[in-house]
Amino acid sequence: VQLVESGGGLVQPGKSLKLSCSASGFTFSSYGMHWIRQAPGKGLDWVAYISSSSGTVYADAVKGRFTISRDNAKNTLYLQLNSLKSEDTAIYYCARDYSALFDYWGQGVMVTVSS
Amino acid sequence: DVVMTQTPPSLSVAIGQSVSISCKSSQSLVYSDGKTYLHWLLQSPGRSPKRLIYQVSNLGSGVPDRFSGTGSQKDFTLKISRVEAEDLGVYYCAQTTHFPPTFGAGTKLELK
Repeated sequence: VQLVESGGGLVQPGKSLKLSCSASGFTFSSYGMHWIRQAPGKGLDWVAYISSSSGTVYADAVKGRFTISRDNAKNTLYLQLNSLKSEDTAIYYCARDYSALFDYWGQGVMVTVSS
Repeated sequence: DVVMTQTPPSLSVAIGQSVSISCKSSQSLVYSDGKTYLHWLLQSPGRSPKRLIYQVSNLGSGVPDRFSGTGSQKDFTLKISRVEAEDLGVYYCAQTTHFPPTFGAGTKLELK
């Protein structure tokens, strides 16, 4: 199982960014997937989940601003981040869901929101 | 949201020593299916988190049996017997019984 995030970077407040998570080593379409973030020097904070059938749920802090999606043909998970705030600055991890457990994690991608 | 309270926030240990980490939840973590979705993760320095124990006491694949998890309802413990250098890092408990999933603040295990 391998999960590789990309798309991070420095972005101004109010702008947008799209993260990708490329999956390999398992049948991507059969698994739900999560995005989880970690602010610098802080703990873990769940962001969003998409089921294998593309049902989605979000943390209150990002609801209406972030959109999780998936392309099973490309084995890729996405997170569209809009209206970014400084408090969204974090490492963003994608993680596979197995029986309500985050069983595999990517290496993470840094998003910095600053003017 | 379910609040996960981990103690202690940090531990200083010698190699070979045994340690325990506590995790208490603000609500029972028993789901309607009878299972308890309380998990333990380890984040080694500079690395992404990895799962150690799932559903209170089940070791993840490849996790040495020096690790063990116990507990029920709202009170859980991770024990590491005979700490090795590779065990150093930050340990997190996490619950996925209730939406949204929540994490403890972490316990940093350091070398004495």
